[in-house]
Amino acid sequence: EVQLVESGGGLVKPGGSLRLSCAASGFSFNMYAFNWVRQAPGKGLEWVSSINSNSNYTYYADSVKGRFTISRDNAKKSLYLQMNSLRAEDTAVYYCARGLLMMYTLPFDPWGQGVLVTVSS
Amino acid sequence: ETVMTQSPGTLSVSPGERATLSCRASQSVNNNLAWYQQKPGQAPRLLISGASTRATGVPARFSGSGSGTEFTLTISNLQSEDFAVYYCQHYTNWPPGCTFGQGTKLEIK
Repeated sequence: EVQLVESGGGLVKPGGSLRLSCAASGFSFNMYAFNWVRQAPGKGLEWVSSINSNSNYTYYADSVKGRFTISRDNAKKSLYLQMNSLRAEDTAVYYCARGLLMMYTLPFDPWGQGVLVTVSS
Repeated sequence: ETVMTQSPGTLSVSPGERATLSCRASQSVNNNLAWYQQKPGQAPRLLISGASTRATGVPARFSGSGSGTEFTLTISNLQSEDFAVYYCQHYTNWPPGCTFGQGTKLEIK
């Protein structure tokens, strides 16, 4: 079964840091690109970042550029999102999502169950 | 940036009937359009990619159409499990990026 499981969320103060992880199983992790997508409480979906299969290319939304870093460890079948200088507006459920097809970053399928990040003092 | 606008914001339809959801792009997106379904407390689920290709396991009552700037998601013979929020997404792969519509909530009439 194809599965993505996020972890690492929680409550953090403004200006703080947090590292999210996404553990993958059930498919050839190193063949696919991955993404982080977030959803603020009661709001819509926002793409955050993408990384290709061998980590050669990373992309970020303007809203997180310079503060967030996406990375992956193909040996561990894991995706990461290092979030620094967190702001209240970063509060959201963060989803990891795989590219639908090998060599394609988008669209997203499947998605993990999501992890909540709350930035508050 | 391409802006995706979904209409209506909320759609009330009775079970067994057909629902038609619209998505408009501010400029042509060719057929780089996906639809997702999200139920409360759950992650989104891909329904349609390439404007009209159903994802694996998606029932045939879901169909996508359109190209350019106007797209439609049609759900025939609505089942109780279909009542959810639906998002359209314009995506590009080179370089990767996307924009989502604001969502249409499909509720039971």
